[in-house]
Amino acid sequence: GAGVSQTPSNKVTEKGKYVELRCDPISGHTALYWYRQSLGQGPEFLIYFQGTGAADDSGLPNDRFFAVRPEGSVSTLKIQRTERGDSAVYLCASSLGPAGGSTGNTIYFGEGSWLTVV
Amino acid sequence: AQKITQTQPGMFVQEKEAVTLDCTYDTSDQSYGLFWYKQPSSGEMIFLIYQGSYDEQNATEGRYSLNFQKARKSANLVISASQLGDSAMYFCAMREGREDNQGGKLIFGQGTELSVKP
Repeated sequence: GAGVSQTPSNKVTEKGKYVELRCDPISGHTALYWYRQSLGQGPEFLIYFQGTGAADDSGLPNDRFFAVRPEGSVSTLKIQRTERGDSAVYLCASSLGPAGGSTGNTIYFGEGSWLTVV
Repeated sequence: AQKITQTQPGMFVQEKEAVTLDCTYDTSDQSYGLFWYKQPSSGEMIFLIYQGSYDEQNATEGRYSLNFQKARKSANLVISASQLGDSAMYFCAMREGREDNQGGKLIFGQGTELSVKP
């Protein structure tokens, strides 16, 4: 597709359950990012992939969160033993390359997966 | 310490008038990038405009311009000729260029909610 695609768009799960959120980046984009956005807040960085490897996972809150990108395209964010505090919008984004600093590789976001843990 | 500060939780503007959304940032890097995103109620983060720290001219994209004042570490967004469809949350974000952050992780501010009045 033309943009970043995320599924499911909405997910309601019970506390303690396992959840997977999927992201399909823009075709040709090697860099992929996961962010989490709580109500009334700006997005918070979780993890960044360059190709298949996680180049920066410093934003993952704890070991219940894990993400993979086995073939360098689609990524899955996995949350184990969900807690009510995990309720948020999980945003995926991609960019053409691993540019840092002042280089102009723009990061494009999907519409997010709204996770509610009850 | 907060890296991106947006001091205006909410702003109102009359349709067809210009509005400035404030953003200040904090970094010790020489190489960094500044972004503005729009987030309507649908939740998608829409890229608006980008300014690199080495860019000598202020960035412009249609009705959007970025008033970049490097010495003051400010990157205010100016929207000219406001339209009703501009009503949304607006986020300022920064990407630093440290060696350990070549992936381009974005740090977001808290956002400003803009309401355009007819």
